[in-house]
Amino acid sequence: DVKVTQSSRYLVKRTGEKVFLECVQDMDHENMFWYRQDPGLGLRLIYFSYDVKMKEKGDIPEGYSVSREKKERFSLILESASTNQTSMYLCASSSYMDWTHYEQYFGPGTRLTVT
Amino acid sequence: SQELEQSPQSLIVQEGKNLTINCTSSKTLYGLYWYKQKYGEGLIFLMMLQKGGEEKSHEKITAKLDEKKQQSSLHITASQPSHAGIYLCGADSGNTGKLIFGQGTTLQVKP
Repeated sequence: DVKVTQSSRYLVKRTGEKVFLECVQDMDHENMFWYRQDPGLGLRLIYFSYDVKMKEKGDIPEGYSVSREKKERFSLILESASTNQTSMYLCASSSYMDWTHYEQYFGPGTRLTVT
Repeated sequence: SQELEQSPQSLIVQEGKNLTINCTSSKTLYGLYWYKQKYGEGLIFLMMLQKGGEEKSHEKITAKLDEKKQQSSLHITASQPSHAGIYLCGADSGNTGKLIFGQGTTLQVKP
């Protein structure tokens, strides 16, 4: 089974702090994604990566950056956390093995509260 | 850009009843993915539809993609409390590997 793990289930940070959210997958997937999920807005893509050291902006990249130094790990960084970044953050991974199927496998999520 | 609209937004049914959730796309779908999410947790992949008219079933859940590949339905037969959660449809509009998601349908099943 594909396993995607996230470093924390719950996190509370202060405004202005630098925040790191870590995601690790164990299935050698090429693609990794970071989403945030908010009531009424659904899942929104923040950043994604098709390969090591590669990254592309999603729909809402402002205020975030990412790092992918190893294939299995994709980090989301909030350079200076703000209260409007309080949200549920979900990491996902998928494979290129079958070009017609892009099932994404999700981690359990990190609920971040910025006070 | 492509948008996915789900209906209804929420649903409360009595245990044992059947129900249907719909997902409509503004553009032709290359692939339609159904996920389930328990409150406060990650998404669990249910099934993927690709061809017009395709239908797939898993236990008591059946998903269909219409011939025009712009609408999908998820049907649950004889609902159980374990079916409760948020159901989301996702779509890859351009064979890019990126998915966009509908806003989700919250299902409650009353014992």
